[in-house]
Amino acid sequence: QQQVRQSPQSLTVWEGETAILNCSYEDSTFDYFPWYWQFPRESPALLIAIRPVSNKKEDGRFTIFFNKREKKLSLHITDSQPGDSATYFCAATPNYNQGKLIFGQGTKLSIKP
Amino acid sequence: NSKVIQTPRYLVKGQGQKAKMRCIPEKGHPVVFWYQQNKNNEFKFLINFQNQEVLQQIDMTEKRFSAECPSNSPCSLEIQSSEAGDSALYLCASSRQGSDTQYFGPGTRLLVL
Repeated sequence: QQQVRQSPQSLTVWEGETAILNCSYEDSTFDYFPWYWQFPRESPALLIAIRPVSNKKEDGRFTIFFNKREKKLSLHITDSQPGDSATYFCAATPNYNQGKLIFGQGTKLSIKP
Repeated sequence: NSKVIQTPRYLVKGQGQKAKMRCIPEKGHPVVFWYQQNKNNEFKFLINFQNQEVLQQIDMTEKRFSAECPSNSPCSLEIQSSEAGDSALYLCASSRQGSDTQYFGPGTRLLVL
């Protein structure tokens, strides 16, 4: 059972455009949603995270939009740069301390210069 | 930047051999997680610790996998009898007490021939 789903599986945008990566979840007990990015041959690194008390979290060019009612969130990357090319993972953890992360399948993002 | 240390970075074993990998969590992080990331980018939670105590573990960990986080020593994950399907990136993550944020180490890439 896939509890966290991501779409699209892969995405290509031109440099300078906005990339939109989607994520949805099933379990209403999830209350922390980090996004990780992973470059080839490296490990995941925390990019940005949000809790359901907020519907938006911004960090520079990266913004999470969160819709608790629909159990959906999206990561928007504005002014995309070639260095943003990576695989992006949406993850979730339930509302108890030290819970395990449940990851989506990832979106491979390619930025064309 | 994560300060989680994992060794070795690469590990090659024959089927049936033991495979052991180590993790030093970030200083001040008493909670340690182990995940397996396969070639399809699927993450599987294996086990987590708070100090030396196991918090959660999956069935796979209870059988061929063993793990520990002894006091004043690196945490370790050991596969007692490696199988080809164990070939994957093994990721250690750590977090502060009461925090949902997990920081990943560089991983140990295991190849079972």
